[in-house]
Amino acid sequence: DGGITQSPKYLFRKEGQNVTLSCEQNLNHDAMYWYRQDPGQGLRLIYYSQIVNDFQKGDIAEGYSVSREKKESFPLTVTSAQKNPTAFYLCASSLRQGSYNSPLHFGNGTRLTVT
Amino acid sequence: AQKVTQAQTEISVVEKEDVTLDCVYETRDTTYYLFWYKQPPSGELVFLIRRNSFDEQNEISGRYSWNFQKSTSSFNFTITASQVVDSAVYFCALSPYNNNDMRFGAGTRLTVKP
Repeated sequence: DGGITQSPKYLFRKEGQNVTLSCEQNLNHDAMYWYRQDPGQGLRLIYYSQIVNDFQKGDIAEGYSVSREKKESFPLTVTSAQKNPTAFYLCASSLRQGSYNSPLHFGNGTRLTVT
Repeated sequence: AQKVTQAQTEISVVEKEDVTLDCVYETRDTTYYLFWYKQPPSGELVFLIRRNSFDEQNEISGRYSWNFQKSTSSFNFTITASQVVDSAVYFCALSPYNNNDMRFGAGTRLTVKP
């Protein structure tokens, strides 16, 4: 079955450490996204990528970095520069821009706790 | 600027009651898409519906129905005869026609009690 896999489900890190969240999809989607979810704030876009080797900042990109070396993979690194990294992170994918705003397909999320 | 407002933070109903989740949006675009997603306790968001700004017909899918009113910039979602399995967080979202920059509301947590 096609889908999006995020790992791990729970992640714990010490303050000051960088951490990378994994996101893999086998839907053959061109576009991939990272959202952050905080209680009462809905989903906020961190980064998105329309094609391999290209990505754009979303609303809250500061303190995060991404890469898109393969179509299937869009890892997110939470750096020590991110002031409040503890959150629930959701990865999503969709058909490419121009496909009439196709719905997003989401992974199960990674809950990151930084202490 | 695009903005989606879901004023209801939490709603609690008893099974078999009807419930309406409100969604109000702001956009300067004349062409756009609206979405509803469901987030069950497992965490992943599940797509429910997409409407484009040219199609104001209401839609019904089983116990779910959606009321799109462009004049009031609203896209409300009604669940008829709610069930415990409907308990989830529901998100309304807005996307411009020419890109996938989707903006989400803060979500409404629906609890359906047996």
